[in-house]
Amino acid sequence: GEDVEQSLFLSVREGDSSVINCTYTDSSSTYLYWYKQEPGAGLQLLTYIFSNMDMKQDQRLTVLLNKKDKHLSLRIADTQTGDSAIYFCAESMQNYGQNFVFGPGTRLSVLP
Amino acid sequence: SQTIHQWPATLVQPVGSPLSLECTVEGTSNPNLYWYRQAAGRGLQLLFYSVGIGQISSEVPQNLSASRPQDRQFILSSKKLLLSDSGFYLCAWSVLKGGKETQYFGPGTRLLVL
Repeated sequence: GEDVEQSLFLSVREGDSSVINCTYTDSSSTYLYWYKQEPGAGLQLLTYIFSNMDMKQDQRLTVLLNKKDKHLSLRIADTQTGDSAIYFCAESMQNYGQNFVFGPGTRLSVLP
Repeated sequence: SQTIHQWPATLVQPVGSPLSLECTVEGTSNPNLYWYRQAAGRGLQLLFYSVGIGQISSEVPQNLSASRPQDRQFILSSKKLLLSDSGFYLCAWSVLKGGKETQYFGPGTRLLVL
C-alpha cells in the first residue's frame, strides 16, 4: 500500500538552510508535492515535481527527488521566521481521484 | 481563478448535537472534492472524496457522512457529534490536467465538541 513518511520536527536558526525530508513507498507515483500549513490555516501548495525530474528550483525552494531511493526533500534557503509552519509531503499516482497520499507533516520551527 | 470556501471558520458544539459543514468551489467544473480531518498536532486523515454529484466514497468508518448535492458543493454532516469528532476539517478540490492532479485546500473549519 501507499505510505509517506516524514520526520515530525525540525528546528533551524534564522538565515540557515532548512532541509525537510520525505520518503514514499509507491514507485508508481507520478507527481510529488510539498504543501505548507501555517497555524490555523488550510494547506497551501508550495511546489511539485514530476517523477521523471531530479530537481526543481523555485526562488528559495529547491526540491530534490531520488526516485531510486524514493526520497524527496525540500530545501529552504535563508530560512525566515515566516517559514515556521508544518510542511506536508504528498504523492499522487497515475489514477485519478483518491490516490493522493499525504505524509504526517514536519513542523519547522525557525529560531531567531 | 479558482477559489474554495468553507464555513463556518470555527464551531463549538455540544456532544450529541448535529453538524453541517459546507464547502463550495468557484471557477472550475466537475472537480474531485475531498474532506480531511486533522487532529491537533497530527497529519491529515482522508474522510470522504467525491468524483461527481451524488457520488461519495468513504475512507474510514465513522460518525460522519458527506453529500454532494451540486457539482461544486460538498457538505460534511453528523446526526450526533462525539467528543472524538473535534478537529480541523479541511475541504479540498482537484482536477486532472495534463496528467497532473493537484489538490487545493480551503481555509478549514475548526470544530470543538464539548
